[in-house]
Amino acid sequence: EAQVTQNPRYLITVTGKKLTVTCSQNMNHEYMSWYRQDPGLGLRQIYYSMNVEVTDKGDVPEGYKVSRKEKRNFPLILESPSPNQTSLYFCASSLYLAGGQETQYFGPGTRLLVL
Amino acid sequence: AQSVAQPEDQVNVAEGNPLTVKCTYSVSGNPYLFWYVQYPNRGLQFLLKYITGDNLVKGSYGFEAEFNKSQTSFHLKKPSALVSDSALYFCAVRQSGGYQKVTFGTGTKLQVIP
Repeated sequence: EAQVTQNPRYLITVTGKKLTVTCSQNMNHEYMSWYRQDPGLGLRQIYYSMNVEVTDKGDVPEGYKVSRKEKRNFPLILESPSPNQTSLYFCASSLYLAGGQETQYFGPGTRLLVL
Repeated sequence: AQSVAQPEDQVNVAEGNPLTVKCTYSVSGNPYLFWYVQYPNRGLQFLLKYITGDNLVKGSYGFEAEFNKSQTSFHLKKPSALVSDSALYFCAVRQSGGYQKVTFGTGTKLQVIP
């Protein structure tokens, strides 16, 4: 089954304690991305990756890091989480199809609370 | 800088009536435009993408979107709303030409009333 998995699904942590949210896709997609969703602000892209070892900033990259060492994995790292990073996080992957169309899949989301 | 505006926080429509969810955008060059849906407790799903050419794009679940270059709009439409269409809808824009940064609107909650 084609899917994007995220772990953990729920996380409560404290300010300053480094954490990693994992994202993995089993579809051999080249493009992967991280988003955060906040009430009233909609979805905002944090980072995206066009392929292995190729990443770039989205609209809200501050306080986050990513890496893409393997095609299937795209972890999101919070080196020193702060309460303003409390949010719902989504990972996604995309594959370009013929004619410029795409197929896109989203992970189930990770709800993070930073105290 | 690119941006997306969804001017309505909520849209209410009676079941069986046509629905429209509005979106306007700003981007340099030619756009790729997207619609996504977030059903309660079911995560995010991709509905459709505009590339170029036909101004009416057909997507999943009977939805379509109309691209209007002069008005820089990309409204989501469906001829006959279902109660099951009740969800949160997001419009997004990306510059054309490969994988680039994507910017979303703030979302519109669609409520279909039985």
